Amino acid sequence: NAGVTQTPKFQVLKTGQSMTLQCAQDMNHNSMYWYRQDPGMGLRLIYYSASEGTTDKGEVPNGYNVSRLNKREFSLRLESAAPSQTSVYFCASSEYRSEGTDTQYFGPGTRLTVL
Amino acid sequence: AQKITQTQPGMFVQEKEAVTLDCTYDTSDQSYGLFWYKQPSSGEMIFLIYQGSYDEQNATEGRYSLNFQKARKSANLVISASQLGDSAMYFCAVGDRGSTLGRLYFGRGTQLTVWP
Repeated sequence: NAGVTQTPKFQVLKTGQSMTLQCAQDMNHNSMYWYRQDPGMGLRLIYYSASEGTTDKGEVPNGYNVSRLNKREFSLRLESAAPSQTSVYFCASSEYRSEGTDTQYFGPGTRLTVL
Repeated sequence: AQKITQTQPGMFVQEKEAVTLDCTYDTSDQSYGLFWYKQPSSGEMIFLIYQGSYDEQNATEGRYSLNFQKARKSANLVISASQLGDSAMYFCAVGDRGSTLGRLYFGRGTQLTVWP
């Protein structure tokens, strides 16, 4: 049981290049999330998806787009990468219940450097 | 949005001793969840323990316990019998019930070092 997987693990981009970070979960979870982690900071939510076909902005959505391809997969796209997007990106998933405070399980992260 | 404060950037503890990592939060929600995650140097985020705001008993998971003081808005993590493998960054997080799903808000973390 792999849990949450992310690809790639590492990526170096030049300013202005685009790329898509992939995330998949095999836990049959409804909700998925993208976070970024910068040095000395906790994780900040970029986008989230409550269910297949729905997405919403989090705290820091500027410069990113997302796609909830199906229940398993949630991708994050950088259309024109900027040095400020150098960060570690985490994908997470949870089984949404009516209580709304479900444990989120995280992928291993993608370390992105934009030159 | 919630505000999560972890006032200890770094903590040191000797192996086999207990350690408390502090966390305070600011929320106007009546119902919410409190989480602690561990991030070792390898970088992954590992779920440790959860406490619901309406739970009367403090949560425990093996050597981890959560000292929940609702009136003080405090959710400290206690690690008993520290091990060298406990050396890591620890994050406190609060789950938001204000939106349609449980978003998490994280503190900045506490770096725990366990020495022999």
